[in-house]
Amino acid sequence: EAGVVQSPRYKIIEKKQPVAFWCNPISGHNTLYWYRQNLGQGPELLIRYENEEAVDDSQLPKDRFSAERLKGVDSTLKIQPAELGDSAVYLCASSLVNSGGNEQFFGPGTRLTVL
Amino acid sequence: AQSVTQLDSQVPVFEEAPVELRCNYSSSVSVYLFWYVQYPNQGLQLLLKYLSGSTLVKGINGFEAEFNKSQTSFHLRKPSVHISDTAEYFCAVMSGFGNEKLTFGTGTRLTIIP
Repeated sequence: EAGVVQSPRYKIIEKKQPVAFWCNPISGHNTLYWYRQNLGQGPELLIRYENEEAVDDSQLPKDRFSAERLKGVDSTLKIQPAELGDSAVYLCASSLVNSGGNEQFFGPGTRLTVL
Repeated sequence: AQSVTQLDSQVPVFEEAPVELRCNYSSSVSVYLFWYVQYPNQGLQLLLKYLSGSTLVKGINGFEAEFNKSQTSFHLRKPSVHISDTAEYFCAVMSGFGNEKLTFGTGTRLTIIP
């Protein structure tokens, strides 16, 4: 079974440029998460989708970040414009939520460097 | 609000020696607890989790953890480590049923010395 797929794996951009990350979750998983992992830190949740609905976006900086999950499968996370402080690894995860404490499966991440 | 504290940022251990990685949490409600491992340039992989029942939880790769409610701890242990265990280990907490938000600690880098 294929895991969570993310692309690109690496991205280098100049500040003020836009950037987008793509995630394909594990087939059949109804919940999708975007996390940001700063250097030397644990991942922090940006947004959580249940099917097509964003049920928790309280940590998403909405002035520059946006996300979508069309048809409840793939998802895209966008930053426009990027700032130096956005340099981090962006992780996508998915899970099948049918009870409490469900395992989240993580993709390899996209490492973003903003110059 | 929930939070996780991993007391050791780096732990060097000789090969075949035992190891314990410490984790303490805080939450105002019942929790689920997780340990994830992250190898270089890879995503996180679940080692084990505690949902309910026995406080001693066994996971993959010979790891185990013990949930201690009175001390609000969930320490990870392995009796004999291998070079392949070199990685970053993250403890995480999820507060109760219906809330799928994971809050992670800052991680512990385990380095195995040959």
